Amino acid sequence: NAGVTQTPKFRVLKTGQSMTLLCAQDMNHEYMYWYRQDPGMGLRLIHYSVGEGTTAKGEVPDGYNVSRLKKKKQNFLLGLESAAPSQTSVYFCASTPGAESDTQYFGPGTRLTVL
Amino acid sequence: GQNIDQPTEMTATEGAIVQINCTYQTSGFNGLFWYQQHAGEAPTFLSYNVLDGLEEKGRFSSFLSRSKGYSYLLLKELQMKDSASYLCAVLDSNYQLIWGAGTKLIIKP
Repeated sequence: NAGVTQTPKFRVLKTGQSMTLLCAQDMNHEYMYWYRQDPGMGLRLIHYSVGEGTTAKGEVPDGYNVSRLKKKKQNFLLGLESAAPSQTSVYFCASTPGAESDTQYFGPGTRLTVL
Repeated sequence: GQNIDQPTEMTATEGAIVQINCTYQTSGFNGLFWYQQHAGEAPTFLSYNVLDGLEEKGRFSSFLSRSKGYSYLLLKELQMKDSASYLCAVLDSNYQLIWGAGTKLIIKP
């Protein structure tokens, strides 16, 4: 089992460019999450999904969109339509088997810099 | 608002014991997690407390007092590999995880 994987590991964007971060898990988990982690702050939830074809907003959703297709429920995509320097951060994907009280399994992270 | 407080940084000596505190004020409570995060890596699960008391797991123990909104993580027989950040997170009434900023633990020989 690879667990939770994320691509890419690093990326540099210019302001206004778009990109998609891919998260994939092979544990058949229902719940998937996208977080950002900034220095001196706790992990902040961007968007999450409680099952295939469903998504919901977290604490800091503005500027991001997500997709979790029914036929590819193991994947959870995070999109930035028009990147801003404020979106420079480390992005983590996580998944849990079911209930919100389950342990979260994290991917290795994507370090994004927006110039 | 919801708030989780933990010290920013702590220093301890190899072989010693260290206690990392976490206090929280959240809308409801459905459990408290501790995660370990080494620099440049992903957080990994350490413990989960939902009832008051002490949970022991090898060199690591976690304590919870719901009436005081307080938890601590106790690390015994410290090793150099324990140098990491320790994240406290609370599951609120909506089953959303609220994360603390983390405590960076520095172990000195």
